[in-house]
Amino acid sequence: KNQVEQSPQSLIILEGKNCTLQCNYTVSPFSNLRWYKQDTGRGPVSLTIMTFSENTKSNGRYTATLDADTKQSSLHITASQLSDSASYICVVRDRDDKIIFGKGTRLHILP
Amino acid sequence: DTGVSQNPRHKITKRGQNVTFRCDPISEHNRLYWYRQTLGQGPEFLTYFQNEAQLEKSRLLSDRFSAERPKGSFSTLEIQRTEQGDSAMYLCASSLGTGQNEKLFFGSGTQLSVL
Repeated sequence: KNQVEQSPQSLIILEGKNCTLQCNYTVSPFSNLRWYKQDTGRGPVSLTIMTFSENTKSNGRYTATLDADTKQSSLHITASQLSDSASYICVVRDRDDKIIFGKGTRLHILP
Repeated sequence: DTGVSQNPRHKITKRGQNVTFRCDPISEHNRLYWYRQTLGQGPEFLTYFQNEAQLEKSRLLSDRFSAERPKGSFSTLEIQRTEQGDSAMYLCASSLGTGQNEKLFFGSGTQLSVL
């Protein structure tokens, strides 16, 4: 069964600190992986997309990594800001066009 | 405004009533998706349209749910005889549907509360 598992379920860090969110997937055959940010009461917004051949991609303070061999991805947030408080959702697409969402990691940034 | 628009933002209804939500996608986008999301969970796929054609429906979409996109532009999602388990955020997303790198643009959702 195609699955996307994220950890931790929730995370609390102080403003200015770095953090890393994890995503493990069993989706096969794999096409691409996106990280989305979802603010409370809003729809998800795409942060990065990575295909099989890409190992890392950055978008400002967000850096995503992908290990297609171990089927793991991470999202690293540098110098966190209060506005980073949100849910971060890992989304994997297979080659049959199925889009599988993880449950997300809820990140809280404290001042 | 060039984003995906959903109305209403919030809907409170009594069990057994019918509700209808509307989604206006980004104007040139030919694909439109409906998802349902409950607290602490990721979005769950309900259905999607390519222009006016409804191409796929999830098993989650019981016969009380119906979606339309009559002119290939806006879409409506109707829930008949609502149940408390229908309480959730209903998200709409649209895209250009351009292959494997398709990017979904989400609206802010309609939060449904069934009392």
